[in-house]
Amino acid sequence: AQSVAQPEDQVNVAEGNPLTVKCTYSVSGNPYLFWYVQYPNRGLQFLLKYITGDNLVKGSYGFEAEFNKSQTSFHLKKPSALVSDSALYFCAVRDIMQRNTGTASKLTFGTGTRLQVTL
Amino acid sequence: KAGVTQTPRYLIKTRGQQVTLSCSPISGHRSVSWYQQTPGQGLQFLFEYFSETQRNKGNFPGRFSGRQFSNSRSEMNVSTLELGDSALYLCASSFRGPTAPNYGYTFGSGTRLTVV
Repeated sequence: AQSVAQPEDQVNVAEGNPLTVKCTYSVSGNPYLFWYVQYPNRGLQFLLKYITGDNLVKGSYGFEAEFNKSQTSFHLKKPSALVSDSALYFCAVRDIMQRNTGTASKLTFGTGTRLQVTL
Repeated sequence: KAGVTQTPRYLIKTRGQQVTLSCSPISGHRSVSWYQQTPGQGLQFLFEYFSETQRNKGNFPGRFSGRQFSNSRSEMNVSTLELGDSALYLCASSFRGPTAPNYGYTFGSGTRLTVV
């Protein structure tokens, strides 16, 4: 089964400093990887995805992620953090499988990393 | 373009009751998935629907059921509610189905269910 791991429950960074939120994956076949952000009492907002192609993926709000096949990692990065980036971040992998009813899929999420950006 | 709409936003139910949650996907999106989010278990997959067919089901008891209508709107039902069913239920829609994994999901704001 596909899985992702987020080793850090919380990341603290000062505003203006670069930030990294870590994610490692375990998949068989091609990885379909995603990053989502969740603000309090809200749903998940899509940040970026890796399907295939360039290892550096650029996403929303200045975020980017680096896909590293040898290290099975997909870390989320931003060159300069903002206080408004403080939120809960989830890494996810899309698992594709065959069922009697046809092709099926689901997202498997990591446990989430809380990012705290302070002045 | 309207996003994924989930109704109601908040719900309080008594143990033993049943509840129905609704999800209207983005116009043109044909795939709808449901997820449960709790502090203890995190985000857990419930169902995936595409073209009115349940394509995938997560590891939840039979009290959890769902369906998708011809206009792609989806409902999720939980019968005989338990305290542990208290959670944020998130719906996500995708333009294409599971054979097109390069398409991402757009999530709604969720329905916060509290069982007392």
